[in-house]
Amino acid sequence: LAKTTQPISMDSYEGQEVNITCSHNNIATNDYITWYQQFPSQGPRFIIQGYKTKVTNEVASLFIPADRKSSTLSLPRVSLSDTAVYYCLVGDYGGATNKLIFGTGTLLAVQP
Amino acid sequence: GAVVSQHPSWVICKSGTSVKIECRSLDFQATTMFWYRQFPKQSLMLMATSNEGSKATYEQGVEKDKFLINHASLTLSTLTVTSAHPEDSSFYICSAITRLGFAPYNEQFFGPGTRLTVL
Repeated sequence: LAKTTQPISMDSYEGQEVNITCSHNNIATNDYITWYQQFPSQGPRFIIQGYKTKVTNEVASLFIPADRKSSTLSLPRVSLSDTAVYYCLVGDYGGATNKLIFGTGTLLAVQP
Repeated sequence: GAVVSQHPSWVICKSGTSVKIECRSLDFQATTMFWYRQFPKQSLMLMATSNEGSKATYEQGVEKDKFLINHASLTLSTLTVTSAHPEDSSFYICSAITRLGFAPYNEQFFGPGTRLTVL
């Protein structure tokens, strides 16, 4: 299972764009990259998933370079409610195990 | 999207008693469910993989006789913490995987978690 490395914490202000980068140097061919958001005392919530290039949905964008050894979650115009821990995970979602190993995550603190 | 529920959302018990936590996939069938444990200010730690109709696969260091997992149906998995002690106090989260529509991959959906406090 590919290990991920991301910053422990980040600070931002309301209205700014936030980019959180995750390193996954030993990502496998069949692995997808998924980002989750977790608020205190809640289960993780799916944000976005991708395999390569760029993926965009209504809440975020995910940028994945050609070598797929890293990925960047982009949150446009964050608000106070985006203060949470963000986890980057890689896994073979079509494979036999499907299990996800969580890394440390990034605590994003948004200030007014 | 798919919904996973957990019951109870919180539980307080005395040391030495057993506690059962249920994890249900409400609108889909999940062949595989996972159980995680999370201590304060720490990341989620995978405890075990639960497959319907078969024995659970436990991660290294997790006592299978203490954390009993039963996946009796495609929509229900239970985690029983036997002879609970204060050090078992934690936030327990389950997840379930499914493949939606024509997606080429499985998606994993998490439950809201269960806060266990052992006195």
